[in-house]
Amino acid sequence: TQLLEQSPQFLSIQEGENLTVYCNSSSVFSSLQWYRQEPGEGPVLLVTVVTGGEVKKLKRLTFQFGDARKDSSLHITAAQPGDTGLYLCAGIGGGTSYGKLTFGQGTILTVHP
Amino acid sequence: NAGVTQTPKFQVLKTGQSMTLQCAQDMNHEYMSWYRQDPGMGLRLIHYSVGAGITDQGEVPNGYNVSRSTTEDFPLRLLSAAPSQTSVYFCASSYTPTARGREQYFGPGTRLTVT
Repeated sequence: TQLLEQSPQFLSIQEGENLTVYCNSSSVFSSLQWYRQEPGEGPVLLVTVVTGGEVKKLKRLTFQFGDARKDSSLHITAAQPGDTGLYLCAGIGGGTSYGKLTFGQGTILTVHP
Repeated sequence: NAGVTQTPKFQVLKTGQSMTLQCAQDMNHEYMSWYRQDPGMGLRLIHYSVGAGITDQGEVPNGYNVSRSTTEDFPLRLLSAAPSQTSVYFCASSYTPTARGREQYFGPGTRLTVT
């Protein structure tokens, strides 16, 4: 079974601060996705990273895939109250876990005005 | 284009009762799956299907049955509800189960409480 450890579980910050969320595993994933979930709704895909060392930017959000494809990070610059939500990383497996998503536990982010 | 729809949105069951959670998608996606979400545990895969007539077990399949008679529908059946099945259930679909870059589209969820 592939596991993804996501940290921190909770993050409460003031508007304008920077933050980083981490996603770590001992397993190699063929690719990794980050989702954002609002209360009462399903997760929505933010980004997919595929290549080891890959960095993708989405406005104030920067996503990085580790060189060994075992870990990833999400960095938010100058957080805003609209960034509040649950952030989930999900690894896409290969081999016997072909195509299956393994989710981290999630990070609940609260940005105070 | 409604995307992925789930019914009901909320449900309360007594221990031992059975019920079916409905899921439908109108995007002609081959791959559909069911997850449950519990606090501090992310989403865990229950069952999935790579096409009509084909289903397989995920990480936590015990107590649940699925079938896929059409591309559009993928119902989840709880055979004999237990309090441990209290959770939020999400259905998801994607165009193809390719390993790289596959985006899953999630429904709005069904919040189930078993007393």
